[in-house]
Amino acid sequence: AQTVTQSQPEMSVQEAETVTLSCTYDTSENNYYLFWYKQPPSRQMILVIRQEAYKQQNATENRFSVNFQKAAKSFSLKISDSQLGDTAMYFCAFIVAQGGSEKLVFGKGTKLTVNP
Amino acid sequence: SQTIHQWPATLVQPVGSPLSLECTVEGTSNPNLYWYRQAAGRGLQLLFYSVGIGQISSEVPQNLSASRPQDRQFILSSKKLLLSDSGFYLCAWGGIISTDTQYFGPGTRLTVL
Repeated sequence: AQTVTQSQPEMSVQEAETVTLSCTYDTSENNYYLFWYKQPPSRQMILVIRQEAYKQQNATENRFSVNFQKAAKSFSLKISDSQLGDTAMYFCAFIVAQGGSEKLVFGKGTKLTVNP
Repeated sequence: SQTIHQWPATLVQPVGSPLSLECTVEGTSNPNLYWYRQAAGRGLQLLFYSVGIGQISSEVPQNLSASRPQDRQFILSSKKLLLSDSGFYLCAWGGIISTDTQYFGPGTRLTVL
């Protein structure tokens, strides 16, 4: 079974500091895609970053970057210069390319609070 | 640009009543469409997905159903709601390739009393 584990239910960080959210996943497939989504208090899920497993280079999107370790099946999210607006639930997810029956699998999320 | 709408935003229904949640997408054609449910403090659970008009795949056996009467319209229904149907329902769209990024709507909070 394909699973995603986020081992940190809650985290907090001071404004302007850096925080890293952990994510591990389990799959026997080699072709898959990884995502981080953000869910602020408004509850809308917003894409933060996407990583293709075949790419060795870590994806970066402004203050957000990932550390993708394929052998370890680890996909952590680093938020630099944290802002109050980064306060949200963060979900790690992945989808395996299986030729038509792909499904996005989510972790249970990490609640991040950015303190002023 | 593409936008996705859901309504209603909130809904309170008695047990045994029917349900209809609607999702529409603008700015794209022939999207894949998805219904997810998020229970309190949990991740997202895929309920249904559709690759085209009238084509629905169910992921979780339950008393919910989905329909896609038009290319960019996706409806989640129930004939008789259960208490366990309470939750936050999210619609998402993605490209025709199922590994394309999925983009989510604002969601509907459903409370069944």
